[in-house]
Amino acid sequence: LAKTTQPISMDSYEGQEVNITCSHNNIATNDYITWYQQFPSQGPRFIIQGYKTKVTNEVASLFIPADRKSSTLSLPRVSLSDTAVYYCLVGDADGQNFVFGPGTRLSVLP
Amino acid sequence: NAGVTQTPKFRVLKTGQSMTLLCAQDMNHEYMYWYRQDPGMGLRLIHYSVGEGTTAKGEVPDGYNVSRLKKQNFLLGLESAAPSQTSVYFCASSKPRGGGTDTQYFGPGTRLTVL
Repeated sequence: LAKTTQPISMDSYEGQEVNITCSHNNIATNDYITWYQQFPSQGPRFIIQGYKTKVTNEVASLFIPADRKSSTLSLPRVSLSDTAVYYCLVGDADGQNFVFGPGTRLSVLP
Repeated sequence: NAGVTQTPKFRVLKTGQSMTLLCAQDMNHEYMYWYRQDPGMGLRLIHYSVGEGTTAKGEVPDGYNVSRLKKQNFLLGLESAAPSQTSVYFCASSKPRGGGTDTQYFGPGTRLTVL
């Protein structure tokens, strides 16, 4: 299983772009990268998923370099409501071999 | 569509007592998972199931048992609760295989305190 590392915490201000990087040096060929967001007292919820290059949806972008040893979650123009813990997950499509990262606590300040 | 629901939301146990946590999903998902999350910590997988009648151990299975008698339900049991099992327990389910990717949908959690 690919072990992942993330920064423990980050601070940002409203309106800024935030980039959170996850390192997964031992990622396997058939592993995908998924990011989840967790608010206090709630279960995590899916943000974005990718395999390589760039993926964008209505809330975030995910950048994955060619060697796939890291990935960067990009949140454009964050607001106070984006304050949460963000988890990187690396795992294969079988849903049985995966590991959650330790999470990055993002604090968005006014 | 309720998604993933968990019962109960809160529970206080005394050391040595037993209890069962219920997870239910209405999305016809094949896979279901139980996690624990200690204060300020990440998620740790306890057990999971890849289909009705199947279960498998995760990262921290000791002290827990699970059953998946119906596709929509996944039960987590504590036979003899210990203070170290004080935690928030999350259940999740994921889409059937074959899509090439796997997204987990989480329940709201059960906050368990063992005295």
